[in-house]
Amino acid sequence: DTGVSQNPRHKITKRGQNVTFRCDPISEHNRLYWYRQTLGQGPEFLTYFQNEAQLEKSRLLSDRFSAERPKGSFSTLEIQRTEQGDSAMYLCASTSGGGRHMLERLFFGSGTQLSVL
Amino acid sequence: GESVGLHLPTLSVQEGDNSIINCAYSNSASDYFIWYKQESGKGPQFIIDIRSNMDKRQGQRVTVLLNKTVKHLSLQIAATQPGDSAVYFCAERAYGNKLVFGAGTILRVKS
Repeated sequence: DTGVSQNPRHKITKRGQNVTFRCDPISEHNRLYWYRQTLGQGPEFLTYFQNEAQLEKSRLLSDRFSAERPKGSFSTLEIQRTEQGDSAMYLCASTSGGGRHMLERLFFGSGTQLSVL
Repeated sequence: GESVGLHLPTLSVQEGDNSIINCAYSNSASDYFIWYKQESGKGPQFIIDIRSNMDKRQGQRVTVLLNKTVKHLSLQIAATQPGDSAVYFCAERAYGNKLVFGAGTILRVKS
């Protein structure tokens, strides 16, 4: 399968614990995005990387959230001291987009469903 | 239409009929639009996209129409099939390099 891969698919944790999710993008894609989706809503942008550089972060991304893409390939999203409000589907997407004037067709993974008890 | 929480607008169509899903976007500076389909438990799946310098684009069984005057986007699905049942999202690119998603429309296909 050459699509975007996310692990784990499901994560149940207790409030206050730290969690980390992994995303493996499509191999030739240089841009990687993280989105969050709650039930009945569209995905909300969290952050994105071009290669290993984190170029934009949403104000939704509190200081408990950190994302990395150390070698410009896979990425991790860590949430520290989880809260019940963090319960959501965390989606990763990638694209080979080459700038504003090129189409930005994002390819999404199946997401990691986080439940904070 | 608008949606709050679980109350997404729902379109019910008979199998074989055409479906039209509408979306109002917010930013007149948006230059790129895209439709995604999302099935339960899966990530959004690309359907079709369109640049702002176009009014219409056709794919296989799908057509996207863009009306910049009223900031309206629509997705037309021809000969709707049960496998088309899903939540459909429109998204726009306005500032930076991120897509901003709308709230979604549920499409239910009756056999």
